[in-house]
Amino acid sequence: DAKTTQPTSMDCAEGRAANLPCNHSTISGNEYVYWYRQIHSQGPQYIIHGLKNNETNEMASLIITEDRKSSTLILPHATLRDTAVYYCIVRVASNFGNEKLTFGTGTRLTIIP
Amino acid sequence: SQTIHQWPATLVQPVGSPLSLECTVEGTSNPNLYWYRQAAGRGLQLLFYSVGIGQISSEVPQNLSASRPQDRQFILSSKKLLLSDSGFYLCAWSAGQRGSNQPQHFGDGTRLSIL
Repeated sequence: DAKTTQPTSMDCAEGRAANLPCNHSTISGNEYVYWYRQIHSQGPQYIIHGLKNNETNEMASLIITEDRKSSTLILPHATLRDTAVYYCIVRVASNFGNEKLTFGTGTRLTIIP
Repeated sequence: SQTIHQWPATLVQPVGSPLSLECTVEGTSNPNLYWYRQAAGRGLQLLFYSVGIGQISSEVPQNLSASRPQDRQFILSSKKLLLSDSGFYLCAWSAGQRGSNQPQHFGDGTRLSIL
């Protein structure tokens, strides 16, 4: 699976949009981009994923560049509960169930009151 | 909607004692199931995955074993725990479809401390 690069930490004011970047310059054509977050002492929470089109759900939006070498997760109106470590993961859809998720160091997002 | 349950939330065990962690999924059929371990300050390590009842694949050699006695039940076990087995154990599920891009969904985890 392709390697991803994320900033170590970011701050965002409460109520503003939080934009979390991720570089995945070696991504292959059949690899998806997934975003998870982990709040301290809890299991990772799935946020959103996409292949090449922009995606939006009730939690966030995912913007993938046309060359697919980078993406941005957008939390439109950040709240204090969005403080967490955010992970960008790239992986191939598997035919065998061995869909190992490789979590890097992620971005520690802190929402400032 | 689908839910995943793990228990216990925390566990303190002496070295050499046995272990049994249980994970159940509700609201879906034929899920893929996974056991991960997260050491302090480190990423997730996939330990086992299962695509069906009785079908277990191990990702890394270790002191642990897994079983899937029912479609939505996944058990992590050990006969004799080692100090190195301490960590945060996470169960996850995904929709079991071939060629699937379905995401994995995690439980709340079990924090295991070996004394």
